[in-house]
Amino acid sequence: QVRLQESGPGLVKPSETLSLTCSVSGGTISSYSWTWIRQPAGKGLEWIGRIFASGSIEYNPSLRARVSMSLDKTKIQFSLRLTSVTAADSAVYYCARDTPYLLWGQGTRVTVSS
Amino acid sequence: EIVMTQSPLSLPVTPGEPASISCRSSQSLLDSVDGNIYLDWYLQKPGQSPQLLIYALSYRASGVPDRFSGSGSGTDFTLKISRVEAEDVGVYYCMQRNEFPVTFGPGTRVDIK
Repeated sequence: QVRLQESGPGLVKPSETLSLTCSVSGGTISSYSWTWIRQPAGKGLEWIGRIFASGSIEYNPSLRARVSMSLDKTKIQFSLRLTSVTAADSAVYYCARDTPYLLWGQGTRVTVSS
Repeated sequence: EIVMTQSPLSLPVTPGEPASISCRSSQSLLDSVDGNIYLDWYLQKPGQSPQLLIYALSYRASGVPDRFSGSGSGTDFTLKISRVEAEDVGVYYCMQRNEFPVTFGPGTRVDIK
């Protein structure tokens, strides 16, 4: 049974870089596309971007200037980096596999605060 | 980007009764190449990650009860619950993946009257 698990610091200071990892267990990362989605507290879902097993990447244009993603096939995980964060980046961050999103991680809450 | 809207935003329901949620897209979600409509429905139960209910307009995801159904065409879509159960409470989101970037509707909160 494939599972996704997000990890990373729960607190990030304004203007710093948010870094999260999604670990994939019970399966391979060499297929599918791998997505990051976030949800500010009490609000809706925002698609951040996805990385394909081939290495190609699509970012939401609204975040493209600050976001990057990578894939580590040896560690069977993929990562998200978001630079120059502000309070508006505080959210629960989810990783998910492919589209449609049948498989989600449990989410990790990130707060941007000094 | 394609803007998704939903109505109503809040829906009190009575167990055993039907319920319906509408979703509209600012552009057609019909893929001109394969004829599919890439509109999905998700339910986010309290304290949980979203879960896939319906994909590609009308296909139920594995394990989803047949009381859930999806329909629509072009820019107007509907999720129907034939007989609401208490476990169906939560926020329902429609999502389009026909065009980049993927976008979600604002969500419809369903709770029991």
